[in-house]
Amino acid sequence: AQSVTQLGSHVSVSEGALVLLRCNYSSSVPPYLFWYVQYPNQGLQLLLKYTTGATLVKGINGFEAEFKKSETSFHLTKPSAHMSDAAEYFCAVSDRYGGSQGNLIFGKGTKLSVKP
Amino acid sequence: GAVVSQHPSRVICKSGTSVKIECRSLDFQATTMFWYRQFPKQSLMLMATSNEGSKATYEQGVEKDKFLINHASLTLSTLTVTSAHPEDSSFYICSARAVSGGLPDGELFFGEGSRLTVL
Repeated sequence: AQSVTQLGSHVSVSEGALVLLRCNYSSSVPPYLFWYVQYPNQGLQLLLKYTTGATLVKGINGFEAEFKKSETSFHLTKPSAHMSDAAEYFCAVSDRYGGSQGNLIFGKGTKLSVKP
Repeated sequence: GAVVSQHPSRVICKSGTSVKIECRSLDFQATTMFWYRQFPKQSLMLMATSNEGSKATYEQGVEKDKFLINHASLTLSTLTVTSAHPEDSSFYICSARAVSGGLPDGELFFGEGSRLTVL
């Protein structure tokens, strides 16, 4: 069975500082990996995804993530935090061979706070 | 980009009543839509998969008679919470999978969510 672990339910950084949100997964097959952002009382917006190819994936709003198979990780980073980055971030995994991207397994989420 | 709209965004109802939540894909067709439930400060849990023109597939532990799903067209799925009780209060989110229209095939787009409060 697949699972996703997000280390740290709450991360706080200063504006301009590096953002690092950790995500580890377990899967018996190479997975599809996703990062979503959720603003208060809103749905989810896709930040980036890894399916195949380059392991360093660039997404929207300056975020990027690197798929490291040996570490079963897909950590999300941004070089310089902005106040508008404050939100809840979810890592998700999908079974590559499952055929349905709807079978997303979500992590518990990490709330990012950005201090002025 | 693709837009998925949910309505209503917030609803308050009395215990015992039924509430319908709509999920629409505004600029693309979606043969498959998904319904999730999110408890406070927790992750999303897939409730059911809604397929246009056929019965929904429910996840284990989700009562299909309580959470009625209808996928009447390629752009609309509805979730009806029947005989709602306070424990049904939650944030319900839908997503739709694009199958055409120039969008990345299979990519999921999420609605804004609907917050249900049952008094």
